[in-house]
Amino acid sequence: DTGVSQDPRHKITKRGQNVTFRCDPISEHNRLYWYRQTLGQGPEFLTYFQNEAQLEKSRLLSDRFSAERPKGSFSTLEIQRTEQGDSAMYLCASSLGYQGFHGYTFGSGTRLTVV
Amino acid sequence: GENVEQHPSTLSVQEGDSAVIKCTYSDSASNYFPWYKQELGKGPQLIIDIRSNVGEKKDQRIAVTLNKTAKHFSLHITETQPEDSAVYFCAASYGGSQGNLIFGKGTKLSVKP
Repeated sequence: DTGVSQDPRHKITKRGQNVTFRCDPISEHNRLYWYRQTLGQGPEFLTYFQNEAQLEKSRLLSDRFSAERPKGSFSTLEIQRTEQGDSAMYLCASSLGYQGFHGYTFGSGTRLTVV
Repeated sequence: GENVEQHPSTLSVQEGDSAVIKCTYSDSASNYFPWYKQELGKGPQLIIDIRSNVGEKKDQRIAVTLNKTAKHFSLHITETQPEDSAVYFCAASYGGSQGNLIFGKGTKLSVKP
Protein backbone atom coordinates (compact mmCIF):
# COMPACT_ATOMS: atom_id res chain seq x y z
CA ASP A 1 0.00 0.00 0.00
CA THR A 2 1.57 3.25 -1.10
CA GLY A 3 -1.03 5.63 0.34
CA VAL A 4 -1.13 7.59 3.59
CA SER A 5 -2.06 5.36 6.52
CA GLN A 6 -3.72 6.54 9.72
CA ASP A 7 -4.26 4.59 12.88
CA PRO A 8 -6.66 4.09 14.51
CA ARG A 9 -9.59 4.69 12.16
CA HIS A 10 -11.93 5.35 15.06
CA LYS A 11 -11.35 6.33 18.68
CA ILE A 12 -13.90 6.84 21.43
CA THR A 13 -12.57 8.35 24.62
CA LYS A 14 -13.88 9.87 27.80
CA ARG A 15 -13.51 13.56 28.40
CA GLY A 16 -10.25 14.32 30.15
CA GLN A 17 -8.34 11.36 28.72
CA ASN A 18 -5.30 11.65 26.47
CA VAL A 19 -5.30 10.22 22.96
CA THR A 20 -2.58 9.70 20.37
CA PHE A 21 -2.98 9.19 16.63
CA ARG A 22 -0.40 7.93 14.18
CA CYS A 23 0.17 8.82 10.55
CA ASP A 24 2.43 7.00 8.09
CA PRO A 25 2.95 9.16 4.99
CA ILE A 26 3.91 8.04 1.51
CA SER A 27 7.51 6.95 2.00
CA GLU A 28 9.22 9.39 -0.34
CA HIS A 29 7.18 12.41 0.81
CA ASN A 30 9.12 14.92 2.90
CA ARG A 31 6.14 17.02 3.99
CA LEU A 32 3.43 15.92 6.40
CA TYR A 33 0.30 17.82 7.42
CA TRP A 34 -2.39 17.48 10.06
CA TYR A 35 -5.89 18.84 9.51
CA ARG A 36 -9.11 18.59 11.47
CA GLN A 37 -12.54 18.24 9.88
CA THR A 38 -15.89 18.56 11.61
CA LEU A 39 -19.20 17.48 10.14
CA GLY A 40 -20.30 19.61 7.21
CA GLN A 41 -17.10 21.64 7.14
CA GLY A 42 -13.92 21.69 5.13
CA PRO A 43 -10.64 20.58 6.69
CA GLU A 44 -8.89 23.08 8.98
CA PHE A 45 -5.12 23.30 9.08
CA LEU A 46 -3.43 22.31 12.34
CA THR A 47 0.28 21.93 11.63
CA TYR A 48 2.87 20.76 9.11
CA PHE A 49 6.34 19.26 9.04
CA GLN A 50 9.09 19.34 6.48
CA ASN A 51 11.16 16.28 7.28
CA GLU A 52 11.39 16.30 11.10
CA ALA A 53 11.01 20.07 11.51
CA GLN A 54 7.62 21.43 12.52
CA LEU A 55 7.43 24.56 10.39
CA GLU A 56 3.96 25.93 11.08
CA LYS A 57 1.27 25.61 13.70
CA SER A 58 -2.24 27.02 13.51
CA ARG A 59 -3.48 29.21 16.30
CA LEU A 60 -6.28 26.62 16.48
CA LEU A 61 -3.70 24.28 17.94
CA SER A 62 -4.03 24.82 21.69
CA ASP A 63 -1.33 23.76 24.10
CA ARG A 64 -3.27 20.53 24.68
CA PHE A 65 -2.26 19.45 21.18
CA SER A 66 1.23 18.31 20.27
CA ALA A 67 2.59 16.76 17.12
CA GLU A 68 5.88 15.09 16.43
CA ARG A 69 7.72 13.62 13.50
CA PRO A 70 10.90 12.41 15.18
CA LYS A 71 12.70 10.76 12.27
CA GLY A 72 11.06 12.54 9.40
CA SER A 73 8.89 9.53 8.61
CA PHE A 74 5.74 8.76 10.63
CA SER A 75 4.07 11.38 12.79
CA THR A 76 1.98 11.34 15.96
CA LEU A 77 -0.66 13.81 17.10
CA GLU A 78 -1.46 13.79 20.81
CA ILE A 79 -4.40 15.51 22.45
CA GLN A 80 -4.22 15.86 26.20
CA ARG A 81 -7.21 16.31 28.50
CA THR A 82 -9.69 15.81 25.68
CA GLU A 83 -12.83 17.95 25.52
CA GLN A 84 -16.10 17.31 23.72
CA GLY A 85 -15.18 20.04 21.25
CA ASP A 86 -12.23 17.94 20.13
CA SER A 87 -14.62 15.45 18.51
CA ALA A 88 -13.77 15.53 14.81
CA MET A 89 -12.06 13.69 11.98
CA TYR A 90 -8.29 14.16 12.16
CA LEU A 91 -6.74 13.97 8.72
CA CYS A 92 -3.11 13.48 7.84
CA ALA A 93 -1.69 14.31 4.43
CA SER A 94 1.73 14.20 2.81
CA SER A 95 3.45 15.72 -0.21
CA LEU A 96 6.83 15.96 -1.88
CA GLY A 97 8.38 19.38 -2.29
CA TYR A 98 10.62 22.03 -0.79
CA GLN A 99 9.32 25.35 -2.08
CA GLY A 100 5.73 26.43 -2.38
CA PHE A 101 2.67 24.23 -2.42
CA HIS A 102 2.34 20.76 -3.84
CA GLY A 103 -0.65 18.48 -4.12
CA TYR A 104 -1.46 16.69 -0.89
CA THR A 105 -2.37 13.02 -0.56
CA PHE A 106 -4.74 12.61 2.37
CA GLY A 107 -5.24 9.54 4.49
CA SER A 108 -8.70 8.29 5.43
CA GLY A 109 -8.54 9.96 8.81
CA THR A 110 -9.04 9.08 12.47
CA ARG A 111 -12.52 9.82 13.76
CA LEU A 112 -12.39 10.93 17.39
CA THR A 113 -15.48 10.91 19.58
CA VAL A 114 -15.17 12.40 23.07
CA VAL A 115 -17.97 11.32 25.41
CA GLY B 1 -9.35 36.22 9.18
CA GLU B 2 -8.80 34.82 5.71
CA ASN B 3 -11.56 32.68 4.32
CA VAL B 4 -12.79 30.85 1.24
CA GLU B 5 -16.47 30.95 0.33
CA GLN B 6 -17.91 28.16 -1.78
CA HIS B 7 -21.22 27.97 -3.64
CA PRO B 8 -23.54 26.21 -3.97
CA SER B 9 -23.62 24.00 -0.89
CA THR B 10 -25.62 21.36 -2.76
CA LEU B 11 -25.93 20.71 -6.47
CA SER B 12 -28.06 18.13 -8.24
CA VAL B 13 -27.64 17.43 -11.97
CA GLN B 14 -28.73 14.82 -14.45
CA GLU B 15 -26.16 12.41 -15.79
CA GLY B 16 -24.45 13.94 -18.79
CA ASP B 17 -25.06 17.54 -17.73
CA SER B 18 -22.31 19.94 -16.62
CA ALA B 19 -21.70 21.03 -13.03
CA VAL B 20 -20.07 24.27 -11.93
CA ILE B 21 -18.86 25.09 -8.42
CA LYS B 22 -17.60 28.56 -7.55
CA CYS B 23 -15.26 29.84 -4.85
CA THR B 24 -14.04 33.24 -3.76
CA TYR B 25 -11.04 33.93 -1.56
CA SER B 26 -9.98 36.91 0.50
CA ASP B 27 -6.19 36.66 0.75
CA SER B 28 -4.57 38.52 -2.13
CA ALA B 29 -1.33 36.61 -1.44
CA SER B 30 -2.95 33.24 -2.20
CA ASN B 31 -1.18 31.60 -5.13
CA TYR B 32 -2.25 27.96 -5.12
CA PHE B 33 -5.82 26.70 -5.59
CA PRO B 34 -6.55 22.97 -5.39
CA TRP B 35 -9.86 21.13 -5.64
CA TYR B 36 -10.59 17.98 -3.65
CA LYS B 37 -13.26 15.30 -3.94
CA GLN B 38 -14.35 13.53 -0.77
CA GLU B 39 -16.39 10.35 -0.75
CA LEU B 40 -18.14 9.07 2.35
CA GLY B 41 -15.74 7.63 4.90
CA LYS B 42 -12.65 8.65 2.94
CA GLY B 43 -10.14 11.46 3.02
CA PRO B 44 -10.22 14.21 0.40
CA GLN B 45 -8.65 13.32 -2.95
CA LEU B 46 -6.90 15.94 -5.09
CA ILE B 47 -8.59 16.15 -8.49
CA ILE B 48 -7.03 19.27 -10.00
CA ASP B 49 -5.06 22.32 -8.93
CA ILE B 50 -4.07 25.65 -10.44
CA ARG B 51 -1.41 28.21 -9.62
CA SER B 52 -1.80 31.96 -9.80
CA ASN B 53 0.25 32.36 -12.95
CA VAL B 54 -2.27 30.30 -14.94
CA GLY B 55 -5.83 31.28 -15.85
CA GLU B 56 -7.24 27.90 -16.81
CA LYS B 57 -6.32 24.23 -16.55
CA LYS B 58 -8.08 21.19 -17.94
CA ASP B 59 -7.84 17.48 -17.27
CA GLN B 60 -10.24 15.35 -19.30
CA ARG B 61 -13.78 16.20 -18.03
CA ILE B 62 -12.56 18.54 -15.30
CA ALA B 63 -11.44 22.14 -15.72
CA VAL B 64 -10.61 24.95 -13.34
CA THR B 65 -10.58 28.67 -14.08
CA LEU B 66 -8.99 31.40 -11.99
CA ASN B 67 -9.70 35.14 -12.00
CA LYS B 68 -7.08 36.72 -9.75
CA THR B 69 -8.45 40.23 -10.12
CA ALA B 70 -11.86 39.18 -8.87
CA LYS B 71 -10.37 36.61 -6.46
CA HIS B 72 -12.54 33.77 -7.62
CA PHE B 73 -12.02 30.37 -9.13
CA SER B 74 -14.38 27.73 -10.43
CA LEU B 75 -14.53 24.00 -11.05
CA HIS B 76 -16.27 22.74 -14.17
CA ILE B 77 -17.21 19.10 -14.61
CA THR B 78 -18.60 18.12 -18.01
CA GLU B 79 -20.50 14.98 -18.99
CA THR B 80 -21.19 14.14 -15.35
CA GLN B 81 -21.47 10.52 -14.29
CA PRO B 82 -23.05 8.96 -11.17
CA GLU B 83 -19.56 8.23 -9.82
CA ASP B 84 -18.90 11.98 -9.75
CA SER B 85 -21.36 12.18 -6.83
CA ALA B 86 -19.37 13.30 -3.77
CA VAL B 87 -18.52 16.39 -1.74
CA TYR B 88 -16.16 18.78 -3.50
CA PHE B 89 -13.93 21.25 -1.65
CA CYS B 90 -12.03 24.21 -3.01
CA ALA B 91 -9.03 25.58 -1.15
CA ALA B 92 -6.60 28.47 -1.33
CA SER B 93 -3.10 28.80 0.04
CA TYR B 94 -2.83 31.07 3.03
CA GLY B 95 -0.60 34.12 2.67
CA GLY B 96 3.07 33.38 2.94
CA SER B 97 2.49 29.90 4.28
CA GLN B 98 3.85 26.90 2.42
CA GLY B 99 1.68 24.43 4.24
CA ASN B 100 -1.61 26.03 5.22
CA LEU B 101 -4.59 25.64 2.91
CA ILE B 102 -7.88 27.38 3.68
CA PHE B 103 -10.78 25.17 2.59
CA GLY B 104 -14.29 26.09 1.59
CA LYS B 105 -17.26 24.43 3.27
CA GLY B 106 -17.86 22.03 0.43
CA THR B 107 -20.45 21.31 -2.26
CA LYS B 108 -22.41 18.09 -2.21
CA LEU B 109 -22.82 17.04 -5.83
CA SER B 110 -25.47 14.48 -6.73
CA VAL B 111 -25.57 13.10 -10.27
CA LYS B 112 -28.86 11.39 -11.06
CA PRO B 113 -28.79 8.54 -13.59
